[in-house]
Amino acid sequence: AQKITQTQPGMFVQEKEAVTLDCTYDTSDPSYGLFWYKQPSSGEMIFLIYQGSYDQQNATEGRYSLNFQKARKSANLVISASQLGDSAMYFCAMREGRSNTGKLIFGQGTTLQVKP
Amino acid sequence: GAVVSQHPSRVICKSGTSVKIECRSLDFQATTMFWYRQFPKQSLMLMATSNEGSKATYEQGVEKDKFLINHASLTLSTLTVTSAHPEDSSFYICSVKGNNEQFFGPGTRLTVL
Repeated sequence: AQKITQTQPGMFVQEKEAVTLDCTYDTSDPSYGLFWYKQPSSGEMIFLIYQGSYDQQNATEGRYSLNFQKARKSANLVISASQLGDSAMYFCAMREGRSNTGKLIFGQGTTLQVKP
Repeated sequence: GAVVSQHPSRVICKSGTSVKIECRSLDFQATTMFWYRQFPKQSLMLMATSNEGSKATYEQGVEKDKFLINHASLTLSTLTVTSAHPEDSSFYICSVKGNNEQFFGPGTRLTVL
């Protein structure tokens, strides 16, 4: 069975500082994809970053980077230079490799609050 | 990425009535769409995978007769909550399967009185 775990229900960070949101996963499938989404209070799900299990380098997208440690089965999201607009709920998700449906399994989420 | 819309954004209905939620892919031909449900402060739970021109695949524990899904075209999937009850009150989100990521609609907040 696949599982995604986010152990931080809530996090605080000072504006302009960096913050790391933790995510661990469990799968026996060698092929999988890992995603991070941001969900502000409006409810929309905003795609942030993607990491494939065979990707050699850690994914980066602007201020977002993914610290992919395959042996540890972790895919932590690093947000650099936090902004007030980063306050939101963040979800880590994994796509099943064996299934060709592309469905995602989500972690419990982490609520991030950026302090001015 | 794909632009996905949902209608309505909010709906309030009486217990026992049926509610239809539409999910449209505006600029992407979506053979596969997904329907999720999210309770307050909780994660997204996949309800079903909607395949164009065929029956939806429901996740374990989701009643297919209660949550009717129709994916009649490459741009539209509908979720009908039949005989809604207060415990069905939730945030319903659809998504469109892209090459790697999924593109999400803005969600529909359902309140059953």
